[in-house]
Amino acid sequence: GVTQSPTHLIKTRGQQVTLRCSSQSGHNTVSWYQQALGQGPQFIFQYYREEENGRGNFPPRFSGLQFPNDSSELNVNALELDDSALYLCASSLAGTGGYGYTFGSGTRLTVV
Amino acid sequence: AQTVTQSQPEMSVQEAETVTLSCTYDTSESDYYLFWYKQPPSRQMILVIRQEAYKQQNATENRFSVNFQKAAKSFSLKISDSQLGDAAMYFCAYIGGAQKLVFGQGTRLTINP
Repeated sequence: GVTQSPTHLIKTRGQQVTLRCSSQSGHNTVSWYQQALGQGPQFIFQYYREEENGRGNFPPRFSGLQFPNDSSELNVNALELDDSALYLCASSLAGTGGYGYTFGSGTRLTVV
Repeated sequence: AQTVTQSQPEMSVQEAETVTLSCTYDTSESDYYLFWYKQPPSRQMILVIRQEAYKQQNATENRFSVNFQKAAKSFSLKISDSQLGDAAMYFCAYIGGAQKLVFGQGTRLTINP
């Protein structure tokens, strides 16, 4: 499946954070979603072959990386209180989103 | 832009009864997929059922079935013989050509024993 680390994280406003994801074996596309408390997940961006190939309505301080082994990172700079949320990673084979994505259990980020 | 709306923030049902969760969506695309995901307290999104827009037949997975009304852009989930393990947040989601999931706000389902 998809594994994410860490499971929980507390950061101070203005700091930077890196969240990690390991995709399901054989998957080559990874997406990141932000889920605020009591809300549905919101698409942040998607990576395929180490390139960003889609981005939601998030500022540039949200950035990512995808590595050749299909692991990926989500980086957030200059943390704001509103960045407090559950961050979900999801993987799939390119072009097969219609069959659904496999999600990790997320990283709960709290910004104080 | 595509949108997904779930108008029921919370629903409850007696164990062994049937419950229907509602979802509407808006899109100008003709080729897309719709999903229902379950999110238990473990936080992991679990795919419950999927529907291909070009198929008129409603999808069914064991106790879970959908009522897909393409013209009305409606996609409801019916859970039959509700079980305690069905208690969770349920999200309706859409994916089209952009290959990104668009989620609704979710419905919290409670199962009463």
